[in-house]
Amino acid sequence: AQRVTQPEKLLSVFKGAPVELKCNYSYSGSPELFWYVQYSRQRLQLLLRHISRESIKGFTADLNKGETSFHLKKPFAQEEDSAMYYCALRSGDKIIFGKGTRLHILP
Amino acid sequence: DTAVSQTPKYLVTQMGNDKSIKCEQNLGHDTMYWYKQDSKKFLKIMFSYNNKELIINETVPNRFSPKSPDKAHLNLHINSLELGDSAVYFCASSHGLAGGGGELFFGEGSRLTVL
Repeated sequence: AQRVTQPEKLLSVFKGAPVELKCNYSYSGSPELFWYVQYSRQRLQLLLRHISRESIKGFTADLNKGETSFHLKKPFAQEEDSAMYYCALRSGDKIIFGKGTRLHILP
Repeated sequence: DTAVSQTPKYLVTQMGNDKSIKCEQNLGHDTMYWYKQDSKKFLKIMFSYNNKELIINETVPNRFSPKSPDKAHLNLHINSLELGDSAVYFCASSHGLAGGGGELFFGEGSRLTVL
């Protein structure tokens, strides 16, 4: 069955420290993976997609098919990174979301 | 200029009542969705429509009935509300099924509280 797992409900990181938000997936086939972010009082929005291999707001995510992972990383956390992050997988005609990880950046 | 708008933002009602949430998008997208976010922030797809046609119905109780009068609108009607229906309901839209490149555009959410 297709599944997205985000093992951490909450991640607290000091400002300036590296961030890694974990995501593992289960999918038979070639996966398309995404990270979505919801800042306080804002809409859920796409942050990045693995196909683009881009860096957005300093965040990157590499698809590791061997480990079935798509972890989101940033070398130096900033206070404005505090938000809810969702890993998502395209499965046919739908986007399946993980349960989300709340990232809290400590001053 | 709001892209995906939902009304109402907040809805408090008694068990057993019937209520509707409306969604409109002005992005020219052909696909719209309803997602449910429970108290633990878990986002689960409920329905999707493409060009007014139902594409996905994720084993949602038939008390929930979506209606898409045109490509720009997708409403959600809920009959005989139960306590477990309390959640935030998100509408989203995309260009193509599953957003083509996977990009969904979300509304602000409608928080439903059933007492």
